[in-house]
Amino acid sequence: QVHLVESGGGVVHPGTSLRLSCAASGFTFTSYGMHWVRQAPGKGLEWVALTSDDGKFISYADSVKGRFTISRDNSKNTVDLEMTSLSPEDTAVYYCAKDRSSAWYPPSLDFWGQGALVTVSS
Amino acid sequence: VVMTQSPLSLPVTVGQPASISCRSSQSLVYSDGIVYLSWFQQRPGQSPRRLLYEVSKRDSGVPDRFSGTGSGTNFTLKINRVEAEDVGVYYCMQGTHWPPLTFGGGTTVEIK
Repeated sequence: QVHLVESGGGVVHPGTSLRLSCAASGFTFTSYGMHWVRQAPGKGLEWVALTSDDGKFISYADSVKGRFTISRDNSKNTVDLEMTSLSPEDTAVYYCAKDRSSAWYPPSLDFWGQGALVTVSS
Repeated sequence: VVMTQSPLSLPVTVGQPASISCRSSQSLVYSDGIVYLSWFQQRPGQSPRRLLYEVSKRDSGVPDRFSGTGSGTNFTLKINRVEAEDVGVYYCMQGTHWPPLTFGGGTTVEIK
């Protein structure tokens, strides 16, 4: 079955960087787009970024554009989120989610990981 | 595309029906005629789980008491007879006008 496991969360100071990773298994990773979605404490869901199956189509939410970078390694079945210039507003649980298709078509998120908590605090 | 859910909170008696509304600021009909509107359930302390996609298609393992209807800009998630395990927050999400993907603000279902 599909399994998504995030890692790399933690407590960091404002202005610093952090890299999250998501290890995928149970499906043909190279055929599906992947997304990051975050949820601030007590708040709703906010889409963050997507990468297509081949990594050639990448997009970001305006709130993270220029600061976050999504990347994938199809040889290792992983998708990463490099986060720089972090601020307290980035404090959230970050979920890795699988796209229903390649992400070149209208997406839907059919499987989610358990999430990684990122806390940005001085 | 802005997704607006109502109500914010929905107290329901076990065994009674529940209905959640989701409205989009633009039509969600894609050029292929399909509406890419999904519903997610997030139980307390858990990750979101997709219940329905393309308005009304149920994911594997989702009880048939969950159903979705709607078209254009107005959509509804219905729970036929609420059970205690249905407590949580429900979100709608559109994928038609991507990127970005956008979620509704969420509706909290609680037992009276």
